[in-house]
Amino acid sequence: GDSVTQMEGPVTLSEEAFLTINCTYTATGYPSLFWYVQYPGEGLQLLLKATKADDKGSNKGFEATYRKETTSFHLEKGSVQVSDSAVYFCALSDQEGSQGNLIFGKGTKLSVKP
Amino acid sequence: EAQVTQNPRYLITVTGKKLTVTCSQNMNHEYMSWYRQDPGLGLRQIYYSMNVEVTDKGDVPEGYKVSRKEKRNFPLILESPSPNQTSLYFCASSLSGTYSNQPQHFGDGTRLSIL
Repeated sequence: GDSVTQMEGPVTLSEEAFLTINCTYTATGYPSLFWYVQYPGEGLQLLLKATKADDKGSNKGFEATYRKETTSFHLEKGSVQVSDSAVYFCALSDQEGSQGNLIFGKGTKLSVKP
Repeated sequence: EAQVTQNPRYLITVTGKKLTVTCSQNMNHEYMSWYRQDPGLGLRQIYYSMNVEVTDKGDVPEGYKVSRKEKRNFPLILESPSPNQTSLYFCASSLSGTYSNQPQHFGDGTRLSIL
C-alpha cells in the first residue's frame, strides 16, 4: 500500500541555520503531496503542497519540490527561526486511492535554539 | 472564522464508561475524518466520511464508532473505552474527499486518558 517515510528526529538547529527534512513516498498512482506543521498544543496546519511532478510548493520561507524520479518531497528552509520549532509531517493523498484520504509520515520534531 | 472545533479538549475517564468526542466544522466541507496520534506512530486514520450518512473505516477503526447525520458534525464515539485508546485525537475536514489535492483543516485535538 501507499506509504510515507520521513527522517526521524528530533532535529536541533541554531537560528539562521539551513533546514532539510527528508521525505520519500511509495504510491501506486500519482499522489498529491503535502507538508503539515504542528505547533505545540495545536492541531496540524497545512504548510505547503504540490499536486504534480516538478511542482514546487512554498510558504513562509519553506519549500519542497515534487520529485517523481526519486519519489521525494524534501522540505527545506534557508534560515530557520525559533518560531519554526514544531513537528513537521509529510503526507500524500493518492488520486487513484481511497477518496483522497491522507497518509502521514511519523513526523519530525524540529527545535531551533536562539 | 473558518474552523474545526473539537470538544472536550481534555478528558480523563475510566475503562468502560461510554464517551463521545464532538467535532464540528463551519466551512460546509463534505469530507470529515478522525485520526489518533501516538508517539512514534504518527497520525493514523480511524474513520472518515465522504458526506452526510456516508462513513467508512480507516486504518484503526476497532473500538470506535462514528455518525454523520448532519454535514457539519462528525462525533467520535467510544462505547467501552479501554486504556489502549489513550491518545491524542484529531478531527479534520476538507472541501471534498473526491479530489486529492484538497488540504485538510484540523481541530486543536482532544487528549483522552483512559484509566
